[in-house]
Amino acid sequence: AQSVTQLGSHVSVSEGALVLLRCNYSSSVPPYLFWYVQYPNQGLQLLLKYTTGATLVKGINGFEAEFKKSETSFHLTKPSAHMSDAAEYFCAVRNSGGYQKVTFGTGTKLQVIP
Amino acid sequence: DAGVIQSPRHEVTEMGQEVTLRCKPISGHNSLFWYRQTMMRGLELLIYFNNNVPIDDSGMPEDRFSAKMPNASFSTLKIQPSEPRDSAVYFCASSPTENQPQHFGDGTRLSIL
Repeated sequence: AQSVTQLGSHVSVSEGALVLLRCNYSSSVPPYLFWYVQYPNQGLQLLLKYTTGATLVKGINGFEAEFKKSETSFHLTKPSAHMSDAAEYFCAVRNSGGYQKVTFGTGTKLQVIP
Repeated sequence: DAGVIQSPRHEVTEMGQEVTLRCKPISGHNSLFWYRQTMMRGLELLIYFNNNVPIDDSGMPEDRFSAKMPNASFSTLKIQPSEPRDSAVYFCASSPTENQPQHFGDGTRLSIL
């Protein structure tokens, strides 16, 4: 079984400040990990993904995430928040190998304060 | 490039009515997924098709829900009869193969009165 826990349903940061969104996962086999972003009235868009290889993954819009197996974490960061980053962010996990259902976290709404 | 296209974007209907949601996946994508998003339950996978064949329908809530994929470019999700608790945003997503990241449509916001 696999699961994802996102700590904090709402996060507020000031414009220009560091963004840190937390994600911890549980998986019995090596996982594939994803971050998606959802803007109001839109579907989810892929920000970045980890499958194998380099544990620091860079995505679109200046976001990056680091896979830490020892901590079972995949936190999302961005050095400097922009107003346009205000959205809801979802962490997701699936087991590697063949078809495996993707499990999504409950989401974190990011508010950027001017 | 056209993304995943869903219709209608909004649907309001009375309980007991039949509801049909439609999805056109990205051309060339072999995998198609239907999700439901609610505040209480988050994002739930309802059904997954691969090459037009249903592979995983374990998330379909009950017999009132049915999904079809008659060809590679079209899928429907039907609710009959609809109930107020079916109110949610329904997303369709597609991916090139089953283990590649999914591309989501903009969803159908369904309200059952």
